[in-house]
Amino acid sequence: LAKTTQPISMDSYEGQEVNITCSHNNIATNDYITWYQQFPSQGPRFIIQGYKTKVTNEVASLFIPADRKSSTLSLPRVSLSDTAVYYCLVGDENTGFQKLVFGTGTRLLVSP
Amino acid sequence: ETGVTQTPRHLVMGMTNKKSLKCEQHLGHNAMYWYKQSAKKPLELMFVYNFKEQTENNSVPSRFSPECPNSSHLFLHLHTLQPEDSALYLCASSQGTGREKLFFGSGTQLSVL
Repeated sequence: LAKTTQPISMDSYEGQEVNITCSHNNIATNDYITWYQQFPSQGPRFIIQGYKTKVTNEVASLFIPADRKSSTLSLPRVSLSDTAVYYCLVGDENTGFQKLVFGTGTRLLVSP
Repeated sequence: ETGVTQTPRHLVMGMTNKKSLKCEQHLGHNAMYWYKQSAKKPLELMFVYNFKEQTENNSVPSRFSPECPNSSHLFLHLHTLQPEDSALYLCASSQGTGREKLFFGSGTQLSVL
């Protein structure tokens, strides 16, 4: 079963681009990569999902190399309100409930 | 507003009390979930329901009893809890149980005295 590894924390300043990398060496062929954001005392919120190459939406971009053993969430020009915990999940219906397992995530702190 | 509503937002209960957490989703989803998030710990998946049927029980103690009367409502019945059960309990829903994204409620912050 795929397991993810992320940095525990990251610091940034307003206006900078932030890249958070997730390692998933045992990713299976059918697995997708999904990122969530969580603010204190709230439930996680879906940010972006991808399978390969690059995916972009109004919030972020997701970069996935050809071997898919890692992925990078890119947040352009962060603001103070982007301070949150970011989770990387890997899985598909074939992996059962493991696809719904959130790790420790990356705690991003954005300063003025 | 995520379309998933949890009540109550806060709950304090003694170890001998019986209480219930309620979750309602207005998204027309077929799958619903309970997660537990203790302070400084990752989210723990507790239960999964798909089309009202429980499909996953992640070795949760029997003092937590889920109920899913229909695809829109999910309950978590609590009895004889322990102080270590104090946590944020989150409900989520999704269209299916494949790779569809999860929609979370704001949670119930539970304190067991």
